[in-house]
Parts: sequence; structure tokens; C-alpha cells
Amino acid sequence: AQKITQTQPGMFVQEKEAVTLDCTYDTSDPSYGLFWYKQPSSGEMIFLIYQGSYDQQNATEGRYSLNFQKARKSANLVISASQLGDSAMYFCAMREASMDSSYKLIFGSGTRLLVRP
Amino acid sequence: DADVTQTPRNRITKTGKRIMLECSQTKGHDRMYWYRQDPGLGLRLIYYSFDVKDINKGEISDGYSVSRQAQAKFSLSLESAIPNQTALYFCATSDLPRQTGLSYNEQFFGPGTRLTVL
Repeated sequence: AQKITQTQPGMFVQEKEAVTLDCTYDTSDPSYGLFWYKQPSSGEMIFLIYQGSYDQQNATEGRYSLNFQKARKSANLVISASQLGDSAMYFCAMREASMDSSYKLIFGSGTRLLVRP
Repeated sequence: DADVTQTPRNRITKTGKRIMLECSQTKGHDRMYWYRQDPGLGLRLIYYSFDVKDINKGEISDGYSVSRQAQAKFSLSLESAIPNQTALYFCATSDLPRQTGLSYNEQFFGPGTRLTVL
């Protein structure tokens, strides 16, 4: 069963507007972490933001915030005031507590965001 | 200098050839991972290692092998490359958990190796 679902293969947003990238997850583990990574056209993976399952408040990092709705198992990324440099692929990933303490990441299929000038 | 480096950055090879992708890190992390990325599939885990003596298979290990030569070095080998192994390959590292249970411990990714098997 797919554990991380990103239902938006591609999205457009106008420069300076906010955009929400969707991510839903599936786990029975009460202890887990959720990550968002950005992958620009150059290919590298850039860590953006992290949300722990026990965190009481939604995570924020500059223009990035995570809309964490635990009951709905969703962890949407909100980018405020979009910039042209935000055009990239965005991946949601989950890490569960694992028996072997590997803390492996499970990735969604990604959302390609294009910011229009 | 980058904390996680991968060599080569790009490689074109032929079916049946043996190829090695190398990863080095200066972060002092114990955990290292190899992922592959295919369009529309996100990243999938190939192998991971806790230390030089502890190597584990990931989701898609068939057709691959790894070697952890030192804490800082983790190599991925394709013994006999095939075209469907054409992909973008990433190495990543992470630190030991700082406390029991899950903690922040983000994974730091290398720049990726783009491999084409003809």
C-alpha cells in the first residue's frame, strides 16, 4: 500500500501568490516524522521543513509552512509569496520508527511546481 | 566544499557492464543510504548502512550491491547493468538519533549521479 500520496503531478502559481502542495500519508505507527524536500532542475535534494507526529504546532521555516492535520493524515506544504526560484519538484517523505532503527524515508511521487511571472 | 559528494555525476554505460557509483561524506554520520529516482516514482531505497559492518537491503536491492569501505564512504555497484537501471541515483547520510524515539535527523543528500544504461 502506498504510504505517501501526492495527488498533484503538476501545479502552476502566479508569482507572489501562495500555493499549497498536498501530501497524505498512511501509517499505524504513532511516532513518525514528515519531511518536505525541493528538487530544482539541477537535481539536488534540498531539505525544506520537518514535522514530528508529536509536535503540537505546525512547522514553519521562512516562507514555508506545514499544514499538519493529524486526524486526516495530511501534511500539506504551504509556500507563501511564491518566487520564480520556487519552480521545482517537491517531495513529501515520511519516516517511521522502525525496528532496526534505520529511520528510512518513504517518498511520494512528487509535485512539479511552476511559478509564473 | 559539499558535505556529501558523489562520483561520477554523469555516466553512460552499456548493457552488461559493471559500474560503481561512489559516495563520500564529511559530516561524520554513521548512517548512509542509496536511493534511485525514476520519473513519477519519487525516490526508492536501494541499500542502507549503519556502519562499516552493518549493511541492509532496501526496497529495490535486486541487481545492486554495496560496500561500506569506511564510515565516510559508501559505494553502490551494478554488477551487470541493464537499461531499466537508467535513473538518477542519490546517496544520503543521517546522524544517530539524539534521543529515544524519533527525532529530527534529516537526511542530507548528495548531488546525485545520472546513470544511463544503453
